[in-house]
Amino acid sequence: GEDVEQSLFLSVREGDSSVINCTYTDSSSTYLYWYKQEPGAGLQLLTYIFSNMDMKQDQRLTVLLNKKDKHLSLRIADTQTGDSAIYFCAENPPGGYQKVTFGTGTKLQVIP
Amino acid sequence: EADIYQTPRYLVIGTGKKITLECSQTMGHDKMYWYQQDPGMELHLIHYSYGVNSTEKGDLSSESTVSRIRTEHFPLTLESARPSHTSQYLCASSETGGGNQPQHFGDGTRLSIL
Repeated sequence: GEDVEQSLFLSVREGDSSVINCTYTDSSSTYLYWYKQEPGAGLQLLTYIFSNMDMKQDQRLTVLLNKKDKHLSLRIADTQTGDSAIYFCAENPPGGYQKVTFGTGTKLQVIP
Repeated sequence: EADIYQTPRYLVIGTGKKITLECSQTMGHDKMYWYQQDPGMELHLIHYSYGVNSTEKGDLSSESTVSRIRTEHFPLTLESARPSHTSQYLCASSETGGGNQPQHFGDGTRLSIL
Protein backbone atom coordinates (compact mmCIF):
# COMPACT_ATOMS: atom_id res chain seq x y z
CA GLY A 1 0.00 0.00 0.00
CA GLU A 2 0.89 3.63 -0.17
CA ASP A 3 2.45 5.38 2.83
CA VAL A 4 1.14 8.70 4.08
CA GLU A 5 3.58 10.28 6.53
CA GLN A 6 3.07 12.92 9.20
CA SER A 7 5.17 14.23 12.04
CA LEU A 8 4.09 12.76 15.36
CA PHE A 9 3.76 15.80 17.55
CA LEU A 10 3.32 19.58 17.39
CA SER A 11 3.13 22.03 20.27
CA VAL A 12 1.99 25.65 19.85
CA ARG A 13 0.91 28.50 22.09
CA GLU A 14 -2.69 29.62 22.13
CA GLY A 15 -3.28 32.35 19.54
CA ASP A 16 -0.39 31.28 17.31
CA SER A 17 -0.80 29.53 13.96
CA SER A 18 -0.35 25.77 13.65
CA VAL A 19 0.90 24.05 10.52
CA ILE A 20 0.50 20.30 10.22
CA ASN A 21 2.28 18.63 7.34
CA CYS A 22 1.63 15.46 5.39
CA THR A 23 3.44 13.72 2.54
CA TYR A 24 1.72 11.18 0.35
CA THR A 25 2.90 8.87 -2.39
CA ASP A 26 -0.03 8.23 -4.75
CA SER A 27 0.10 11.00 -7.35
CA SER A 28 -3.23 9.86 -8.81
CA SER A 29 -5.15 10.66 -5.64
CA THR A 30 -8.21 12.74 -6.45
CA TYR A 31 -9.26 13.99 -3.03
CA LEU A 32 -7.17 14.62 0.06
CA TYR A 33 -8.74 14.97 3.47
CA TRP A 34 -8.00 16.29 6.93
CA TYR A 35 -9.65 14.66 9.93
CA LYS A 36 -9.62 15.64 13.61
CA GLN A 37 -9.82 13.14 16.45
CA GLU A 38 -10.57 14.38 19.95
CA PRO A 39 -9.88 12.14 22.97
CA GLY A 40 -12.28 9.23 23.24
CA ALA A 41 -13.97 9.95 19.92
CA GLY A 42 -13.88 8.87 16.32
CA LEU A 43 -12.45 10.87 13.42
CA GLN A 44 -14.32 13.96 12.31
CA LEU A 45 -13.93 15.28 8.77
CA LEU A 46 -12.52 18.82 8.92
CA THR A 47 -11.97 19.72 5.31
CA TYR A 48 -10.89 18.33 1.97
CA ILE A 49 -9.22 19.50 -1.22
CA PHE A 50 -9.61 18.29 -4.77
CA SER A 51 -6.37 17.46 -6.53
CA ASN A 52 -6.76 20.21 -9.16
CA MET A 53 -6.67 22.89 -6.46
CA ASP A 54 -3.62 24.43 -4.80
CA MET A 55 -5.33 26.01 -1.84
CA LYS A 56 -8.60 25.92 0.02
CA GLN A 57 -9.61 28.19 2.88
CA ASP A 58 -12.42 27.53 5.31
CA GLN A 59 -12.63 30.03 8.20
CA ARG A 60 -9.54 29.40 10.38
CA LEU A 61 -8.40 26.46 8.26
CA THR A 62 -6.20 26.72 5.17
CA VAL A 63 -5.21 23.66 3.16
CA LEU A 64 -2.24 23.87 0.80
CA LEU A 65 -1.51 21.20 -1.80
CA ASN A 66 1.80 20.88 -3.62
CA LYS A 67 1.23 18.10 -6.15
CA LYS A 68 4.78 18.21 -7.47
CA ASP A 69 6.22 17.41 -4.04
CA LYS A 70 3.14 15.37 -2.95
CA HIS A 71 2.88 17.57 0.09
CA LEU A 72 -0.29 18.57 1.90
CA SER A 73 -0.52 20.98 4.83
CA LEU A 74 -3.19 22.20 7.20
CA ARG A 75 -2.80 25.65 8.74
CA ILE A 76 -4.95 26.55 11.74
CA ALA A 77 -5.02 30.28 12.41
CA ASP A 78 -5.43 31.65 15.95
CA THR A 79 -5.09 28.19 17.48
CA GLN A 80 -7.33 27.58 20.49
CA THR A 81 -7.12 25.04 23.31
CA GLY A 82 -10.13 23.30 21.75
CA ASP A 83 -7.98 22.56 18.72
CA SER A 84 -5.87 20.15 20.79
CA ALA A 85 -6.43 16.79 19.13
CA ILE A 86 -4.89 14.30 16.74
CA TYR A 87 -5.02 15.30 13.09
CA PHE A 88 -4.98 12.78 10.26
CA CYS A 89 -4.51 13.43 6.57
CA ALA A 90 -5.91 10.90 4.10
CA GLU A 91 -5.67 10.33 0.37
CA ASN A 92 -8.42 8.93 -1.83
CA PRO A 93 -7.19 7.20 -5.00
CA PRO A 94 -9.41 7.36 -8.11
CA GLY A 95 -11.94 4.65 -8.84
CA GLY A 96 -14.74 3.36 -6.71
CA TYR A 97 -12.99 0.36 -5.20
CA GLN A 98 -9.75 1.82 -3.90
CA LYS A 99 -9.24 2.24 -0.18
CA VAL A 100 -8.56 5.55 1.48
CA THR A 101 -5.11 5.63 3.08
CA PHE A 102 -4.76 7.49 6.37
CA GLY A 103 -1.62 9.20 7.60
CA THR A 104 0.11 8.28 10.82
CA GLY A 105 -1.49 11.17 12.73
CA THR A 106 -0.10 14.35 14.33
CA LYS A 107 -0.90 15.15 17.94
CA LEU A 108 -1.41 18.90 18.36
CA GLN A 109 -0.93 20.29 21.85
CA VAL A 110 -2.06 23.88 22.43
CA ILE A 111 -0.46 25.57 25.43
CA PRO A 112 -2.64 28.22 27.14
CA GLU B 1 -24.87 14.81 8.54
CA ALA B 2 -23.09 11.59 9.40
CA ASP B 3 -25.08 9.12 11.43
CA ILE B 4 -23.03 6.12 12.41
CA TYR B 5 -23.30 4.45 15.78
CA GLN B 6 -21.15 2.03 17.68
CA THR B 7 -22.07 0.05 20.76
CA PRO B 8 -20.88 -0.47 23.36
CA ARG B 9 -18.65 2.57 23.88
CA TYR B 10 -16.61 0.77 26.51
CA LEU B 11 -16.31 -2.92 27.30
CA VAL B 12 -14.22 -4.62 29.97
CA ILE B 13 -14.48 -8.39 29.82
CA GLY B 14 -12.58 -11.54 30.74
CA THR B 15 -10.43 -13.72 28.55
CA GLY B 16 -12.18 -16.39 26.49
CA LYS B 17 -15.50 -14.58 26.11
CA LYS B 18 -17.24 -14.14 22.78
CA ILE B 19 -17.68 -10.47 21.90
CA THR B 20 -19.67 -8.68 19.22
CA LEU B 21 -19.07 -5.00 18.54
CA GLU B 22 -22.01 -3.35 16.83
CA CYS B 23 -21.89 -0.72 14.09
CA SER B 24 -24.89 0.78 12.33
CA GLN B 25 -25.27 3.63 9.87
CA THR B 26 -28.38 5.34 8.58
CA MET B 27 -26.88 7.00 5.51
CA GLY B 28 -27.38 4.10 3.11
CA HIS B 29 -23.63 3.86 2.49
CA ASP B 30 -22.48 0.75 0.67
CA LYS B 31 -18.91 0.81 1.98
CA MET B 32 -18.15 0.08 5.61
CA TYR B 33 -14.86 -0.35 7.47
CA TRP B 34 -13.40 -1.49 10.78
CA TYR B 35 -10.17 0.02 12.08
CA GLN B 36 -8.08 -0.89 15.09
CA GLN B 37 -6.35 2.01 16.80
CA ASP B 38 -3.81 1.58 19.57
CA PRO B 39 -2.44 4.35 21.80
CA GLY B 40 0.27 4.89 19.18
CA MET B 41 -2.50 6.64 17.19
CA GLU B 42 -2.10 5.02 13.78
CA LEU B 43 -5.25 3.53 12.24
CA HIS B 44 -5.04 -0.04 11.01
CA LEU B 45 -7.72 -1.30 8.61
CA ILE B 46 -8.80 -4.79 9.70
CA HIS B 47 -12.00 -5.39 7.68
CA TYR B 48 -14.08 -3.68 5.01
CA SER B 49 -17.16 -4.31 2.93
CA TYR B 50 -18.35 -3.02 -0.45
CA GLY B 51 -21.98 -3.90 0.26
CA VAL B 52 -24.34 -6.65 1.38
CA ASN B 53 -22.68 -10.09 1.48
CA SER B 54 -19.27 -8.54 0.74
CA THR B 55 -16.49 -8.76 3.34
CA GLU B 56 -12.75 -8.33 2.85
CA LYS B 57 -9.73 -8.54 5.13
CA GLY B 58 -7.83 -5.33 5.62
CA ASP B 59 -4.16 -4.48 5.83
CA LEU B 60 -3.67 -5.69 9.41
CA SER B 61 -4.28 -9.34 10.21
CA SER B 62 -7.00 -9.77 12.81
CA GLU B 63 -8.57 -12.75 14.57
CA SER B 64 -11.93 -11.03 14.38
CA THR B 65 -14.64 -11.73 11.81
CA VAL B 66 -17.33 -9.54 10.27
CA SER B 67 -20.64 -10.00 8.50
CA ARG B 68 -22.75 -7.77 6.24
CA ILE B 69 -26.26 -9.12 6.00
CA ARG B 70 -27.90 -5.69 5.87
CA THR B 71 -26.59 -2.47 4.33
CA GLU B 72 -26.82 -0.53 7.56
CA HIS B 73 -25.23 -3.09 9.87
CA PHE B 74 -21.59 -4.29 10.04
CA PRO B 75 -20.87 -6.17 13.30
CA LEU B 76 -17.43 -7.37 14.31
CA THR B 77 -17.04 -10.57 16.34
CA LEU B 78 -14.25 -12.01 18.45
CA GLU B 79 -14.97 -15.68 19.18
CA SER B 80 -12.58 -15.91 22.13
CA ALA B 81 -11.21 -12.64 23.45
CA ARG B 82 -7.59 -12.39 24.58
CA PRO B 83 -5.63 -9.56 26.27
CA SER B 84 -3.90 -8.89 22.93
CA HIS B 85 -7.29 -7.78 21.57
CA THR B 86 -7.32 -4.81 23.96
CA SER B 87 -7.60 -1.73 21.74
CA GLN B 88 -9.95 0.89 20.36
CA TYR B 89 -12.10 -0.24 17.43
CA LEU B 90 -13.48 2.36 15.02
CA CYS B 91 -16.22 1.76 12.46
CA ALA B 92 -16.66 3.96 9.38
CA SER B 93 -18.76 4.15 6.25
CA SER B 94 -18.61 5.94 2.91
CA GLU B 95 -20.41 6.27 -0.38
CA THR B 96 -19.39 4.27 -3.44
CA GLY B 97 -18.09 5.96 -6.54
CA GLY B 98 -15.01 7.63 -7.90
CA GLY B 99 -15.66 11.07 -6.53
CA ASN B 100 -15.52 12.70 -3.14
CA GLN B 101 -16.02 9.88 -0.64
CA PRO B 102 -14.97 10.95 2.84
CA GLN B 103 -15.36 8.31 5.50
CA HIS B 104 -17.75 8.98 8.35
CA PHE B 105 -16.70 7.54 11.70
CA GLY B 106 -18.47 6.31 14.79
CA ASP B 107 -17.18 7.26 18.22
CA GLY B 108 -15.48 3.90 18.67
CA THR B 109 -15.54 1.03 21.13
CA ARG B 110 -12.75 0.87 23.68
CA LEU B 111 -12.21 -2.79 24.47
CA SER B 112 -10.24 -4.09 27.45
CA ILE B 113 -9.68 -7.82 27.89
CA LEU B 114 -8.59 -8.88 31.35
